[in-house]
Amino acid sequence: TQLLEQSPQFLSIQEGENLTVYCNSSSVFSSLQWYRQEPGEGPVLLVTVVTGGEVKKLKRLTFQFGDARKDSSLHITAAQPGDTGLYLCAGGVGTNQAGTALIFGKGTTLSVSS
Amino acid sequence: EAGVTQFPSHSVIEKGQTVTLRCDPISGHDNLYWYRRVMGKEIKFLLHFVKESKQDESGMPNNRFLAERTGGTYSTLKVQPAELEDSGVYFCASSRIRQGVYEQYFGPGTRLTVT
Repeated sequence: TQLLEQSPQFLSIQEGENLTVYCNSSSVFSSLQWYRQEPGEGPVLLVTVVTGGEVKKLKRLTFQFGDARKDSSLHITAAQPGDTGLYLCAGGVGTNQAGTALIFGKGTTLSVSS
Repeated sequence: EAGVTQFPSHSVIEKGQTVTLRCDPISGHDNLYWYRRVMGKEIKFLLHFVKESKQDESGMPNNRFLAERTGGTYSTLKVQPAELEDSGVYFCASSRIRQGVYEQYFGPGTRLTVT
């Protein structure tokens, strides 16, 4: 059974601080997607990484896919209260061409206070 | 472009009753998925349609769950008879291919409570 271990589970920081969320597995994934979810809503796609070692930046968010495609990280620089939410990583199983199912981590609940 | 929609947003039923959840994917998306999150656990895959065909139903918990996608447009997920452990949030997603990767877009979910 493929599992994605996400850490930390909870994170409470002050505005302006930096943080990193980790997503680790013993399995190889064809892709890794990061989502953000607000209460009462569905997950919203932030980014997809596909190639081992790939780094993508989305404003203050930096996403990295491990060289072996087994792990990923999300780094937020100078966090703001608007970054508060649940962050989820999800790994694609099977081939990208097949439109694969996703394996989700349990999520990281981030709270940024001003 | 309208997003994935799900109906109802909430449903409260008694054990033994039947409930049908509906999902309307983003127009033009051939791939449709159902997922479920039970309290305290991660979101888990249930099944995957490509148009009207079931591509992968390995995550369906048991034969009390029946998913259909007639005509390859909207999908329904029926639970009959419902049990207490079926409570959770049921998400639907549809996907499009972008830069060689299928990206999944989620609906708001249906919160099912079985009492």
